[in-house]
Amino acid sequence: GDKVKQSPSALSLQEGTNSALRCNFSIAATTVQWFLQNPRGSLMNLFYLVPGTKENGRLKSAFDSKESYSTLHIRDAQLEDSGTYFCAALTGGYKVVFGSGTRLLVSP
Amino acid sequence: EAAVTQSPRSKVAVTGGKVTLSCHQTNNHDYMYWYRQDTGHGLRLIHYSYVADSTEKGDIPDGYKASRPSQENFSLILELASLSQTAVYFCASRTGGNYAEQFFGPGTRLTVL
Repeated sequence: GDKVKQSPSALSLQEGTNSALRCNFSIAATTVQWFLQNPRGSLMNLFYLVPGTKENGRLKSAFDSKESYSTLHIRDAQLEDSGTYFCAALTGGYKVVFGSGTRLLVSP
Repeated sequence: EAAVTQSPRSKVAVTGGKVTLSCHQTNNHDYMYWYRQDTGHGLRLIHYSYVADSTEKGDIPDGYKASRPSQENFSLILELASLSQTAVYFCASRTGGNYAEQFFGPGTRLTVL
């Protein structure tokens, strides 16, 4: 099965609404990264997390290593938030395992 | 912020031909990675390296070779390109240890005809 499972796989939001994305890990993740792949294909770093939480503007992320999950909250969604969100877990040394992504579309 | 560059940014290759994708990083990172992304999917690890002159197989190494001639440079080589290798290829780098953020290059779009 998937070592890093992201949900939902796709999401449509109206501008100004809030939502949460989730990653569940079946591997021992030591750190988590969240990325946004924009429609042109570039990967942008959003968060890098050890267990705990971080906030940046309208985005907030949390990583609970004991319960093996991470969340990304989007507040007041904007059109430019559209794209595919990936989480990735770093496990013991070199290996980074990616989830399959959540495709987000924000509409007016 | 880490600077990772890739060349070429896009390439069209013929089946059976040799393709070399290049990656260069300027932040003195130990680890470098090559991933492929197929349309509508996540990233899968092909090869990685944690020191110059050494490479390791990732999850999908078949049909690919890698070369790390220096700390800054990491190449992905397709000796005999095949249609199934049409994808976007991303290079990434990070420092060593258990707690280190990964930084990605802009990607190379490879089309094999």
